[in-house]
Amino acid sequence: ETGVTQSPTHLIKTRGQQVTLRCSSQSGHNTVSWYQQALGQGPQFIFQYYREEENGRGNFPPRFSGLQFPNYSSELNVNALELDDSALYLCASSWAGRSLSSGANVLTFGAGSRLTVL
Amino acid sequence: DQQVKQNSPSLSVQEGRISILNCDYTNSMFDYFLWYKKYPAEGPTFLISISSIKDKNEDGRFTVFLNKSAKHLSLHIVPSQPGDSAVYFCAASDTGTYKYIFGTGTRLKVLA
Repeated sequence: ETGVTQSPTHLIKTRGQQVTLRCSSQSGHNTVSWYQQALGQGPQFIFQYYREEENGRGNFPPRFSGLQFPNYSSELNVNALELDDSALYLCASSWAGRSLSSGANVLTFGAGSRLTVL
Repeated sequence: DQQVKQNSPSLSVQEGRISILNCDYTNSMFDYFLWYKKYPAEGPTFLISISSIKDKNEDGRFTVFLNKSAKHLSLHIVPSQPGDSAVYFCAASDTGTYKYIFGTGTRLKVLA
């Protein structure tokens, strides 16, 4: 089975620009979550997508948005980049069963996209 | 408000000895816990999980203990190996939300 793949692995942007990060979920998984990991911190939940709809969002402003596609791949978009957006962005996929209430799920992470904002 | 805390930023252990990594949480709604290992330039790798209906779960050299009354969990690695050197994160979830809260991590160094 293929794991979670993310692209690009590294990128540099300037303040005010926009960025799109991409994620292919592990085969058989139907849910995608995005996390931001700042230096020296643990991953912080941004949002989760299930059945192509956002299902839950962490403490991130609306300029962080996402999409999930019918093949369960996903994008994270960040507009109006700020210096504090510099971080490792991790995508994680999981299998939520027939519904999100069908039990806890283990996240499978990709290697991440490291974003530097200058 | 940090709901999941790993108070030891780093830990050094001799090869062959036991490594004990600790994690505390504050939200009594958390009912599912995961441990992840992370090497540099890689994503976190799942190690072991525990549900709040259990107090112990084992998988090979890894055992996780959960003390619900103390809101504390620990990961035991026995015996520790140099390849275990990595950053370890605990994560907690209220399965109703499907959102995981991660601790800040503990860097484990296993000395040969």
